Amino acid sequence: AQSVTQLGSHVSVSEGALVLLRCNYSSSVPPYLFWYVQYPNQGLQLLLKYTSAATLVKGINGFEAEFKKSETSFHLTKPSAHMSDAAEYFCAVIGGTSYGKLTFGQGTILTVHP
Amino acid sequence: DARVTQTPRHKVTEMGQEVTMRCQPILGHNTVFWYRQTMMQGLELLAYFRNRAPLDDSGMPKDRFSAEMPDATLATLKIQPSEPRDSAVYFCASTPDTDTQYFGPGTRLTVL
Repeated sequence: AQSVTQLGSHVSVSEGALVLLRCNYSSSVPPYLFWYVQYPNQGLQLLLKYTSAATLVKGINGFEAEFKKSETSFHLTKPSAHMSDAAEYFCAVIGGTSYGKLTFGQGTILTVHP
Repeated sequence: DARVTQTPRHKVTEMGQEVTMRCQPILGHNTVFWYRQTMMQGLELLAYFRNRAPLDDSGMPKDRFSAEMPDATLATLKIQPSEPRDSAVYFCASTPDTDTQYFGPGTRLTVL
C-alpha cells in the first residue's frame, strides 16, 4: 500500500517569495510521484511528475520538485511566487500493485499576498 | 487540444432521486477513473476501468453506486437512490498509459 502526507493544509506567502509545499510518501516499491494543481471550480492539472529518471523534476509555471528517497520526500518549490499561483496543490503517488491508481494527499491551499 | 469532458457540470437533486454522471475520455485513452472530492475526505478513488473492463471498484458504495463503460467513448457513474452525503464533486480522469492522468472539469452534485 502507499500513502501521501502533505504537511500544512494552508501555506501563505508574499508575491515574489519562495514557495515550498511539502510532501512525504510511503510506498513499498519505487514510486511514481506527481504534483497536481487545482484552481477554483476546475479539475486537476498536472504540474510535474517523477517516474524514476532525474531526481530533480521541472514542471510548468516555474515549479520544480526533488525526489529524495532517503527522506521519502517530494517537495514542490518555486523561487518566486506569483499571484496566479494561488490554488490548491495535491501530491500523489502510484506504487506497488495499484496499477495506475493515484493516491492523493489531503491538499495544500496556497495563498499569495501582494 | 484533447480534453476529458464531463456532463452535467452541476446537478441539484432531491434525496432518493437517481443521478447519472457522464464522462467522455480523451480519444485513445484506455484507462478511465472516477474520483470523488469532498472537504472532509479529500480526493477518493471510486472505481476505474481499463479497456472498458472494471479493474477496481472497492472505493464505491456497492448498494447505491454503479459505474459502467458502455463503449470506449463513454463512462457513466450512477447513484440510485441519492443521499445528501453523496454531495461532492465527481471527477473523471483518463490515461493512455500507467502514469499521467488527465482530469475532467468535474460534476458538482448537491443532494437536498
